[in-house]
Amino acid sequence: NAGVTQTPKFRVLKTGQSMTLLCAQDMNHEYMYWYRQDPGMGLRLIHYSVGEGTTAKGEVPDGYNVSRLKKQNFLLGLESAAPSQTSVYFCASSYLGAREAFFGQGTRLTVV
Amino acid sequence: AQSVTQLGSHVSVSEGALVLLRCNYSSSVPPYLFWYVQYPNQGLQLLLKYTTGATLVKGINGFEAEFKKSETSFHLTKPSAHMSDAAEYFCAVSGAGGYNKLIFGAGTRLAVHP
Repeated sequence: NAGVTQTPKFRVLKTGQSMTLLCAQDMNHEYMYWYRQDPGMGLRLIHYSVGEGTTAKGEVPDGYNVSRLKKQNFLLGLESAAPSQTSVYFCASSYLGAREAFFGQGTRLTVV
Repeated sequence: AQSVTQLGSHVSVSEGALVLLRCNYSSSVPPYLFWYVQYPNQGLQLLLKYTTGATLVKGINGFEAEFKKSETSFHLTKPSAHMSDAAEYFCAVSGAGGYNKLIFGAGTRLAVHP
């Protein structure tokens, strides 16, 4: 039972490069989220989705885009990476109405 | 709007001592409250949650938390700390509205020493 799987687990980017982080869940969850974790700041919500084909902005959406073309996948894109986007990124998913979220193992991204 | 404040970014206890991690929340709607634990280089794991009903909630690994509406608090406790409890703990709030947007506190790192 895989749960929430994030790809890749580690990545180093140069400033200005682009990349896409992939999140896949096999629990048939309606809701999916992308968070970033920075020391002393907890987890901050970047974007989220309440269903296939829908996305919404969270607390810190600037510099990121997302897509949810299939219910099981939620993609996070960085069009032009900046050093300020160096962080650990977590994807999560939850059932409609269940409230608690299930998390992936994280992606550690370094932008140099 | 919702927010979470965790008092104390670092807490240190002796093995066998009481663990108390503090969490206060702000919510314009009835809250759902959660505690998550994160071990080094891992994702977040749910410890316990409060949605409705009993205000004292028991979770995994001997942890429990009490929802106190009058104090807008949801403190996490464990009677006797174990070395394996050393981790980072996050309190989170979700509104009882139409969608599950989880808002997290900044986290408390728990150290347990012999």
